[in-house]
Amino acid sequence: GESVGLHLPTLSVQEGDNSIINCAYSNSASDYFIWYKQESGKGPQFIIDIRSNMDKRQGQRVTVLLNKTVKHLSLQIAATQPGDSAVYFCAEIWAGGTSYGKLTFGQGTILTVHP
Amino acid sequence: DGGITQSPKYLFRKEGQNVTLSCEQNLNHDAMYWYRQDPGQGLRLIYYSQIVNDFQKGDIAEGYSVSREKKESFPLTVTSAQKNPTAFYLCASSLGRGLGLNTEAFFGQGTRLTVV
Repeated sequence: GESVGLHLPTLSVQEGDNSIINCAYSNSASDYFIWYKQESGKGPQFIIDIRSNMDKRQGQRVTVLLNKTVKHLSLQIAATQPGDSAVYFCAEIWAGGTSYGKLTFGQGTILTVHP
Repeated sequence: DGGITQSPKYLFRKEGQNVTLSCEQNLNHDAMYWYRQDPGQGLRLIYYSQIVNDFQKGDIAEGYSVSREKKESFPLTVTSAQKNPTAFYLCASSLGRGLGLNTEAFFGQGTRLTVV
């Protein structure tokens, strides 16, 4: 059923600071973990992914860390800008069995960047 | 312009009526997805399809149905069996071929369905 009244966690930072957004996942069989950004009224946009056999991947201003021991994923944003304000979702995808291609999303975190 | 298009943007229906949401993509993607998003919550997977004429239930398929008769189209029907259909519905597509290519899903602008 639905979780009525459930609110997303929030993170507020100052412009120029580094941001760290965390996500706990439950499915150890996922093959890729992914971060998406959703701006108000829009669909999510892909940011970066990491394969399950890696523990770190860097992109432009972003780094994703994967800790499979504790089933934890994080997204680090360097020098956060007001344009980074959005909701950030972690996601995971299966590449085997009957759930091939199943793409599911975590709860999300609201990031607010203050000028 | 290549992309994924959902229509309409806003949809109002009376309780007890079935309603079909459109999702079309011209990206030549194999995989397509439907999600539901409620206020202040994340995206929950309703149905997904990796290839034409095949689709799988997601985590909240009850009260919904889909078809995948064409590669570019993946319509979602919200039936009267769905107990609380008012929500924001998002459709997505991805290449769907092999590891590493399926992680980037492209989303439509969404359809906001209100049942009165």
